[in-house]
Amino acid sequence: RKEVEQDPGPFNVPEGATVAFNCTYSNSASQSFFWYRQDCRKEPKLLMSVYSSGNEDGRFTAQLNRASQYISLLIRDSKLSDSATYLCVVNPRGSQGNLIFGKGTKLSVKP
Amino acid sequence: SAVISQKPSRDICQRGTSLTIQCQVDSQVTMMFWYRQQPGQSLTLIATANQGSEATYESGFVIDKFPISRPNLTFSTLTVSNMSPEDSSIYLCSVDKGQGDEQFFGPGTRLTVL
Repeated sequence: RKEVEQDPGPFNVPEGATVAFNCTYSNSASQSFFWYRQDCRKEPKLLMSVYSSGNEDGRFTAQLNRASQYISLLIRDSKLSDSATYLCVVNPRGSQGNLIFGKGTKLSVKP
Repeated sequence: SAVISQKPSRDICQRGTSLTIQCQVDSQVTMMFWYRQQPGQSLTLIATANQGSEATYESGFVIDKFPISRPNLTFSTLTVSNMSPEDSSIYLCSVDKGQGDEQFFGPGTRLTVL
């Protein structure tokens, strides 16, 4: 089992749609979780950290399920500008530097 | 976040040569890292650049192939040595400002080896 697994997509959705991505991780002792966004030919940028209690930032909601070892990202009211690849990222050891990246889920929002 | 720059932004190199990539941060940071992102793949950590001591390499990466320097808290270099076409990739530096374990990335260096 890969350390971090994501559905590669692509997810093709119309503007205004709600879309959800899931990610599973293999190490049950993992400490920290993030979603990054990567635009084509650009560097990854931190979208949000994922907390055990779940967290929301505007149209974006992240959830963590430790029992099932999965993380989700929900995007409401999709915008054209949300089109990107979304990377699920896990820190399996709780120390600085040990980030494991998923391969990403590609989202394409159409007019 | 931090402002991170990398040089060069891209390069095309011949097999057998070496390329040194520079990473500059606008403020002092605790941790600096080097990643590789091969086409269609996720990011893979090459090494942690330690200030004043040897870099810490991940499994599968060795100092002879990827020597790293970190002379101070704002600058690091990664050299890709004796390049082959398999080294064609995007190389990214990142920093951890020590306030959590989020990392912030430089714009990347796109390397093509012929």
